[in-house]
Amino acid sequence: GQSLEQPSEVTAVEGAIVQINCTYQTSGFYGLSWYQQHDGGAPTFLSYNALDGLEETGRFSSFLSRSDSYGYLLLQELQMKDSASYFCAANGGATNKLIFGTGTLLAVQP
Amino acid sequence: DSGVTQTPKHLITATGQRVTLRCSPRSGDLSVYWYQQSLDQGLQFLIQYYNGEERAKGNILERFSAQQFPDLHSELNLSSLELGDSALYFCASSVTSSTGVGLDTQYFGPGTRLTVL
Repeated sequence: GQSLEQPSEVTAVEGAIVQINCTYQTSGFYGLSWYQQHDGGAPTFLSYNALDGLEETGRFSSFLSRSDSYGYLLLQELQMKDSASYFCAANGGATNKLIFGTGTLLAVQP
Repeated sequence: DSGVTQTPKHLITATGQRVTLRCSPRSGDLSVYWYQQSLDQGLQFLIQYYNGEERAKGNILERFSAQQFPDLHSELNLSSLELGDSALYFCASSVTSSTGVGLDTQYFGPGTRLTVL
């Protein structure tokens, strides 16, 4: 089967750095995406890794290691508005469907 | 605002009933995806259409069906509704239908919250 595991909850303080891990077991893996979702809202695209290594987009960076079936999202200079759920998702290749991870609820405290 | 629109925003109905959820993709996007988000199952892929044709199926129940029309909007039909069908239903769109060829990022609509009583 296909599964992506994430920690269920992470807590950090404003201004800090936090890392959200994602381990996966999928067939036909093409790459790893990250989405942010505020409570009841639409998932919003953050980052995508097709190749091993680090991708940086402003305060957010994402990393992928295919040999370890592992990736992470790094959030720097945390702000209160970063409090949300974060999902990793495996891209399905020929069909581009997304298989989502279990999601991590990030709570940023003052 | 992603540019993907979904109607209605909320839907409350009874068990056994049938509902239709509507999605309009971003201008220029040919591929539409439907996802279901529930507390116990998380975010699950249901079905994908590309330029009017079904492209991929996920964990979609036989009671559910979808189609994409010539103007590229899509509808998800849910019938014989059960309490367990209560969930958020998201539509997403992208330009292309395959990963790795560019323009494959999926943009999500605001969702339809379905409550079955």
